[in-house]
Amino acid sequence: GAVVSQHPSRVICKSGTSVKIECRSLDFQATTMFWYRQFPKQSLMLMATSNEGSKATYEQGVEKDKFLINHASLTLSTLTVTSAHPEDSSFYICSARKMDTEAFFGQGTRLTVV
Amino acid sequence: EDQVTQSPEALRLQEGESSSLNCSYTVSGLRGLFWYRQDPGKGPEFLFTLYSAGEEKEKERLKATLTKKESFLHITAPKPEDSATYLCAVQARGDYKLSFGAGTTVTVRA
Repeated sequence: GAVVSQHPSRVICKSGTSVKIECRSLDFQATTMFWYRQFPKQSLMLMATSNEGSKATYEQGVEKDKFLINHASLTLSTLTVTSAHPEDSSFYICSARKMDTEAFFGQGTRLTVV
Repeated sequence: EDQVTQSPEALRLQEGESSSLNCSYTVSGLRGLFWYRQDPGKGPEFLFTLYSAGEEKEKERLKATLTKKESFLHITAPKPEDSATYLCAVQARGDYKLSFGAGTTVTVRA
């Protein structure tokens, strides 16, 4: 299957700082990338969809000014959690699709805000 | 709104004890149904895509089937390494998003 790399896998940051998470499709060009959040023992909650070269589409209830998404190329999307607070602590996962095929996921990023 | 319900929530099996996981879905025109495996602290790993009722796919000890209302993931003679959370997701026709179920956590004891 296709390879999606997410970095970092774990990050601890102080409250009020910003954190950037990268998602790369290594062996294909991803027209669309998705960002999810997952709470313990719960399923994946879609946060936003990013298309290369255009603004991300955010799901209802997700603050676009807090979760900044940039999809600068067909192989890279970034999620920046701005002014992070403890309630932003979670497991963030990206996925990438090439055209209308199955989605492949990154390994996830465990964010802890202290 | 698309809905995906997985059952049971958790399943404990003895090694070699076959079982099935259920994924019931409601979607306005199914484009595809997807099964993923997720290990603790990792992203989901793709297993299968099913597109139409009656379709079946197999991979090692796993077999996925699809009807118009549900999908089953059959685990035959499981091994401890099959322990994971299995996620089901659907994509509606004309939509690009996946709607996920809450998952079934499978634990296989040696």
